[in-house]
Amino acid sequence: DGGITQSPKYLFRKEGQNVTLSCEQNLNHDAMYWYRQDPGQGLRLIYYSQIVNDFQKGDIAEGYSVSREKKESFPLTVTSAQKNPTAFYLCATRPGGTYSGANVLTFGAGSRLTVL
Amino acid sequence: KQEVTQIPAALSVPEGENLVLNCSFTDSAIYNLQWFRQDPGKGLTSLLLIQSSQREQTSGRLNASLDKSSGRSTLYIAASQPGDSATYLCAVCYNQGGKLIFGQGTELSVKP
Repeated sequence: DGGITQSPKYLFRKEGQNVTLSCEQNLNHDAMYWYRQDPGQGLRLIYYSQIVNDFQKGDIAEGYSVSREKKESFPLTVTSAQKNPTAFYLCATRPGGTYSGANVLTFGAGSRLTVL
Repeated sequence: KQEVTQIPAALSVPEGENLVLNCSFTDSAIYNLQWFRQDPGKGLTSLLLIQSSQREQTSGRLNASLDKSSGRSTLYIAASQPGDSATYLCAVCYNQGGKLIFGQGTELSVKP
């Protein structure tokens, strides 16, 4: 069953703690993305990775870190430096290449982080 | 600044109505535009992707059009059903493999 698995679905964090959100895909897609969604707002890009062992900052990377050691995995760490981390986090993948479907994003089900 | 705007933020219609959702973008030099659907508390599902060279794309009761010169796209939903209730987001991409810039979404409610 191909797709993207995000875990945990719900996560509660105390202030000052780092937490890591998992994103695993078995679609064999090259590119992976992390977005943040706040109520009433569109998605904002945190980090993205086009290939293994390489990633770039998005529009709101401060307070977050990522790694891409394997093609299938792109974990996101929300550090204590992120001042307002309560949000819905979405992972997405894109196949890569130049064919017509290469730019269609597939999204995971999301992880909701709440800071207590 | 490249921005994407969706108006209205929310829309409520009776079942069976045909409806149009709007998306506008400030920079017309787009590479492609995508429409997504998001159910509450869920991820996004891709509905339609329009390349910059295309004028429209159709999938079932959905039809998306693109007018680059005016910086607009519309998503037409025919014969709306309660199951169409969701938030619809459009996103613009400016180069191959580039990041998507999302609008804020339109929350659609179709009443039985």
